[in-house]
Amino acid sequence: AQTVTQSQPEMSVQEAETVTLSCTYDTSESDYYLFWYKQPPSRQMILVIRQEAYKQQNATENRFSVNFQKAAKSFSLKISDSQLGDAAMYFCAYRSAQGAQKLVFGQGTRLTINP
Amino acid sequence: EAGVTQFPSHSVIEKGQTVTLRCDPISGHDNLYWYRRVMGKEIKFLLHFVKESKQDESGMPNNRFLAERTGGTYSTLKVQPAELEDSGVYFCASSRFGTARRETQYFGPGTRLLVL
Repeated sequence: AQTVTQSQPEMSVQEAETVTLSCTYDTSESDYYLFWYKQPPSRQMILVIRQEAYKQQNATENRFSVNFQKAAKSFSLKISDSQLGDAAMYFCAYRSAQGAQKLVFGQGTRLTINP
Repeated sequence: EAGVTQFPSHSVIEKGQTVTLRCDPISGHDNLYWYRRVMGKEIKFLLHFVKESKQDESGMPNNRFLAERTGGTYSTLKVQPAELEDSGVYFCASSRFGTARRETQYFGPGTRLLVL
């Protein structure tokens, strides 16, 4: 079974600075998808960025980018120019490319932005 | 386009009582998922509907949990009788039916369930 681990329960960063959230996963599959979801306080969880395992190029979405290291099974999220609105719970998630479409989540990292 | 909605937003019940959670997916989304997050732990998959059929219910913890999806539209998740360990946040997500490569799951705000 696949597992996802986020080893940082909490992180904080100064506004306008850069922060990196860590995520590692375990799988025997070669084709899969990785996601970062963001859940702001009292709001719905939204997709921040996705990575397809067969793509070597790291995904980017504006100020959000990932460092995908397939051999190391690592998938970190970098947030550049942090803004107050980035404060949220961030979840890393895995999904197989075959069969079940369920997401396997990590424990989450709570990110605080200091003004 | 309206997002995924869930009702109620909060529920406090006593052990042994019954609670029914409801999820309304985005219109036209065939896939509907239920997940649960117990306090401080990871979000865990419960089950997956494709239209009105249960595609995968491998995450359902026990037979006290019953999920239905009437006519392939909204879904309900009933817990009967509720136990203390059922407390947590129950999330619903939906997506269009299609190839896994293009699927994005859209989440609702969750129902916070507290069993006393």
